[in-house]
Amino acid sequence: KAGVTQTPRYLIKTRGQQVTLSCSPISGHRSVSWYQQTPGQGLQFLFEYFSETQRNKGNFPGRFSGRQFSNSRSEMNVSTLELGDSALYLCASSLEGGQGGQPQHFGDGTRLSIL
Amino acid sequence: GEDVEQSLFLSVREGDSSVINCTYTDSSSTYLYWYKQEPGAGLQLLTYIFSNMDMKQDQRLTVLLNKKDKHLSLRIADTQTGDSAIYFCAETRSGNTGKLIFGQGTTLQVKP
Repeated sequence: KAGVTQTPRYLIKTRGQQVTLSCSPISGHRSVSWYQQTPGQGLQFLFEYFSETQRNKGNFPGRFSGRQFSNSRSEMNVSTLELGDSALYLCASSLEGGQGGQPQHFGDGTRLSIL
Repeated sequence: GEDVEQSLFLSVREGDSSVINCTYTDSSSTYLYWYKQEPGAGLQLLTYIFSNMDMKQDQRLTVLLNKKDKHLSLRIADTQTGDSAIYFCAETRSGNTGKLIFGQGTTLQVKP
């Protein structure tokens, strides 16, 4: 079974631009969660999508948004990029969001660098 | 609060056992997880335990949970150089779907 796939692996953008990251979950998984990893703040939860609906949200500004498609693939968008958005963005999928002992499985992440 | 705490660094000799510790604060924790991250990679799920369990063993890995003290540990038997990585503990909480709350990560250095 293929794992979680994130594209692209690396991105370089400049301040003020916007970016879209993509995540394909494990086949059959309906929940997709996104995390930001930085040296200073560690791993922080951005949001979770299930059945094309945002079901949970972390404490990030509205510049961070996402969506999920009917095949469970998800995209994350960051608008008006700031230097502080430089991070590794990780996507994780699970059967139904981690409740009931269904663990999240992670992709290798997208490394976003803002110049 | 959202505190999950881990010590930042552990160094062991190859062949020794490693014990990585984690404490959490919220009594609504449902499941507790251990993930491993190698350089340039995402997080690899190692094992997880339901919050009502005391212990879980999986090959070289043993997870111990002290619910009263909210203390979780991961023991790696016969530690190998390939075990060198950052180890994260994480929890899920009742009603908080899709959200893992992570500790800061423990860097495990295995010396030959």
